[in-house]
Amino acid sequence: DAKTTQPPSMDCAEGRAANLPCNHSTISGNEYVYWYRQIHSQGPQYIIHGLKNNETNEMASLIITEDRKSSTLILPHATLRDTAVYYCIVRDLNSGGYQKVTFGTGTKLQVIP
Amino acid sequence: DADVTQTPRNRITKTGKRIMLECSQTKGHDRMYWYRQDPGLGLRLIYYSFDVKDINKGEISDGYSVSRQAQAKFSLSLESAIPNQTALYFCATSDAVNTEAFFGQGTRLTVV
Repeated sequence: DAKTTQPPSMDCAEGRAANLPCNHSTISGNEYVYWYRQIHSQGPQYIIHGLKNNETNEMASLIITEDRKSSTLILPHATLRDTAVYYCIVRDLNSGGYQKVTFGTGTKLQVIP
Repeated sequence: DADVTQTPRNRITKTGKRIMLECSQTKGHDRMYWYRQDPGLGLRLIYYSFDVKDINKGEISDGYSVSRQAQAKFSLSLESAIPNQTALYFCATSDAVNTEAFFGQGTRLTVV
């Protein structure tokens, strides 16, 4: 599975949109982009995933560039509870599981009051 | 109740002791995983299992063993604990249909 690159940390003012970038320049055609977050030392929590079209759910939006080499997770109105480490991963659904997925160090998002 | 439950949540043990971390899930998933997380590092895969008769080593399996007692239960053992196994351990599940992984709340293990 392709690896990803994320900034180590970001700040965002409460109520503003948080835009978290991810680079996955070696992504292959079968690989999806997934985002998870880990609040403090809890277990990671799934947020959203996509292949090439932009996706939106109740938690966030995912914008994937046309060449699929990068993506941005958008939290439209960040709250203090969104302070967490955000992981961008790529995963081939045909691989059958998460055994080839690399959870790197992610981006630590600090939402500031 | 949590979908993926880990016990214990916290444990302090002495060097050389055997310790077992347990994981149970109510998701009905066939795939289960054990990860370790150290400060400043991401999650590293220790072992994974795709069904009761399928056990596979992950990236950092040395010093660990696992047992898949049933579809819902996957245990991680440290046969002889050492201080550098002090870490936060996570169990996770997934299946072929649902594309997201579900993680337990973690076990904080300290080896002194």
